[in-house]
Order: sequence, then structure tokens, then C-alpha cells
Amino acid sequence: AQSVTQPDIHITVSEGASLELRCNYSYGATPYLFWYVQSPGQGLQLLLKYFSGDTLVQGIKGFEAEFKRSQSSFNLRKPSVHWSDAAEYFCAVVDNYGQNFVFGPGTRLSVLP
Amino acid sequence: DSGVTQTPKHLITATGQRVTLRCSPRSGDLSVYWYQQSLDQGLQFLIQYYNGEERAKGNILERFSAQQFPDLHSELNLSSLELGDSALYFCASSLLVAGELFFGEGSRLTVL
Repeated sequence: AQSVTQPDIHITVSEGASLELRCNYSYGATPYLFWYVQSPGQGLQLLLKYFSGDTLVQGIKGFEAEFKRSQSSFNLRKPSVHWSDAAEYFCAVVDNYGQNFVFGPGTRLSVLP
Repeated sequence: DSGVTQTPKHLITATGQRVTLRCSPRSGDLSVYWYQQSLDQGLQFLIQYYNGEERAKGNILERFSAQQFPDLHSELNLSSLELGDSALYFCASSLLVAGELFFGEGSRLTVL
């Protein structure tokens, strides 16, 4: 079964600084990959997804992620963080059959003014 | 607004009791997923239904059961509740079998 790790439990950055959140997955084939964001008291919202094709994918709110097969990674990036980006970020993977949609443990992002 | 509706939003009950959580998926979505989110366990996949049939099962306790009805809404039944069942329960729906999930706002269950 596939699995997802997010090495950083909590990251703090200053507003305007760049951001990279790490995600590593374990799956035998090329999985479908996702990043979700959860604000306090809210459900999860999709930021971006990778199914196939271009390994650099663009998402909402200025986020992007790059799929690197050789490193089994799907890191999320943003060039300039806004205070409203403070939230919990989840990386997720699903197999090609649509079973076992697995989420990582999440990374909590704090933004300093 | 994701289009996924969950009721109730909050529920407080006692140990040993039984509760039912309801989920209405986005219009047209055939897949429904249930997740449990707690501080110590993170987001745990419980069960998935596709067009009324159980498709995948995760870390769902035997005290928990779910079903998806012909109108595609789903219910998660939690019985013999324990303190440790206190959590946020999310429902998500998807149009495709392996497509992105759209989440409801969750049902917060507190067991006293």
C-alpha cells in the first residue's frame, strides 16, 4: 500500500519569504499526487494535483509543486508567502485504481509578520 | 463552498452511545470517502464507496459502519462510542474513481 511522509511537522516563515514544504511518497508505480490546505475549523481544500505530463504543476493561491520520480517527492513551493497562507498543509497520494487515498501527517505553517 | 454537505456540524454524546453522521456529496459525484481526523492520529482513511458499493476499507473499527444509498448520500454509523472516538469526521466526494477529493466541513464528535 502507498504511504506519504511529510518530514516537517511545523514550519515558520516570515511574510514575503519563499516556502518549500516537503512530501515523499511510497508507491510502486507513478501515483496521483495532491496537495491540500486546511485552515482552522475548515475542511480541506485542493491546492493542486499531478496525474501525468509536465512535472511542474501550478495550483491556486500562487502555489506550485514539482514531481520528481527519482526522489519519490512532490514538494510544494511558493515564492512569497502571505499571512493568509498560515494553515495546515497535507500531501496525498492515491493509486491508479482510485483506492487508498492516503494523506500525509501534515505540515503546519506559521507566518510571521 | 465545496458542494459537499455534512450534518451535524457538532455532536456531543456519552460513552456507549450510537451516532449517525450524514454526508451529501457534490452533485454528480459517485465516490464518497470518510476520514477521521484527530490530533494524535492525523487524517485517517476509514472507508470509500463508489456508486453504492464499498470500494476500499481503511482503518475503520468494527464498531463503525457506513453505507451509500441509491441517491448517493452516505451515512457513517458509530456505535459503542468511546472517549477516543472524539474527533473530526470528514466526508469527501469525487467524480472520478481516482480523481481529486472535495471535502465537507466535517462533523465534530465529542464523546464525554
